Amino acid sequence: DVKVTQSSRYLVKRTGEKVFLECVQDMDHENMFWYRQDPGLGLRLIYFSYDVKMKEKGDIPEGYSVSREKKERFSLILESASTNQTSMYLCASSPGLSYGYTFGSGTRLTVV
Amino acid sequence: QQQVKQSPQSLIVQKGGISIINCAYENTAFDYFPWYQQFPGKGPALLIAIRPDVSEKKEGRFTISFNKSAKQFSLHIMDSQPGDSATYFCAAFRGSNYKLTFGKGTLLTVNP
Repeated sequence: DVKVTQSSRYLVKRTGEKVFLECVQDMDHENMFWYRQDPGLGLRLIYFSYDVKMKEKGDIPEGYSVSREKKERFSLILESASTNQTSMYLCASSPGLSYGYTFGSGTRLTVV
Repeated sequence: QQQVKQSPQSLIVQKGGISIINCAYENTAFDYFPWYQQFPGKGPALLIAIRPDVSEKKEGRFTISFNKSAKQFSLHIMDSQPGDSATYFCAAFRGSNYKLTFGKGTLLTVNP
């Protein structure tokens, strides 16, 4: 069974901390994505990557950065966490030019 | 700028009824229009998708109707069941940039 695994289901961090969210996929997919999901706002794209070491800004990249050193792993970094980054973060992957994304189960991040 | 508008925000249907969720898009450059289903505590999962040159696609109890001239598409769930209770997202996919743009989601509740 193909999988996208996010390292933590729940995370509580303090304001100003540097936060790393990790995502690993075992499907050899070229593309990986980070979304945040907020009530009433749906899914908003933060960053995506279509190849190792490549990254593209999504719709809301401010306050975030990403790293993709290996094909299977895509990390989201909050350089200095703020309370407005409290959210559900979803990682996804897809092969080539496909609309069929596979999502992880999400990391619910609370910044206090 | 919201490229995919989805309504209603929430929907309550009786078991056996028809659930209808509507979406509208603005950009004509999209290549596919998928729907995703999300259960609590899980990431969204691909449910069904349609190309813009097709007016209808049916898979079991789920049907997408597509109106290219009106730039609208909708998901119909026939004989709705309590197990269909979930959040549904419509989306639009552009192959040239690998990206899915999601609607804000509809929380469907099917009462027994």
